[in-house]
Amino acid sequence: KNEVEQSPQNLTAQEGEFITINCSYSVGISALHWLQQHPGGGIVSLFMLSSGKKKHGRLIATINIQEKHSSLHITASHPRDSAVYICAPHLGALGGSQGNLIFGKGTKLSVKP
Amino acid sequence: DGGITQSPKYLFRKEGQNVTLSCEQNLNHDAMYWYRQDPGQGLRLIYYSQIVNDFQKGDIAEGYSVSREKKESFPLTVTSAQKNPTAFYLCASSIAPFGPYEQYFGPGTRLTVT
Repeated sequence: KNEVEQSPQNLTAQEGEFITINCSYSVGISALHWLQQHPGGGIVSLFMLSSGKKKHGRLIATINIQEKHSSLHITASHPRDSAVYICAPHLGALGGSQGNLIFGKGTKLSVKP
Repeated sequence: DGGITQSPKYLFRKEGQNVTLSCEQNLNHDAMYWYRQDPGQGLRLIYYSQIVNDFQKGDIAEGYSVSREKKESFPLTVTSAQKNPTAFYLCASSIAPFGPYEQYFGPGTRLTVT
């Protein structure tokens, strides 16, 4: 069961390029998280959003709950943005054995200088 | 500084041995979670705890056990019954179990069993 689909799976960009990562999901959700996982493995939360758009520095996240789709954009990409970006829809109340977050497989981004 | 600590970062064990992974948080969060990450797969939930002295099985709980005797601590034991224990294990916490609330992740423990 692939409830969360991310695209692309891998992305290589030149420094300065505008990046878009897409996330589609098939279940009803109350919010969606975008996470960043660095090569060492640690994960940090970038955004949690339930409607519209959020911006933090060069990162922008958008969501359309009705269309079950979210995007993460990176403007003026930099080599330090190289990481795996993970989309994680939030099921709201604990979804039984799945817990309340389901996770995409991630998009591996590599930004070349 | 508030956060989640996991130790050790790398762990090596022989097949047939139980091993316990540590997870501690000083965020005063009620809910804690253990996830497993395998190459090419999304994170999968092993166990979660909504409050002290309570925990629930996740999707892949077989071969694992947990305890939650203190709010700050949620150790995970990988038992010899876990058929494929080599993986990256992540602990997380959130202020409460229902949400949506942001989850904060630890740095992870990479377990290799040979």
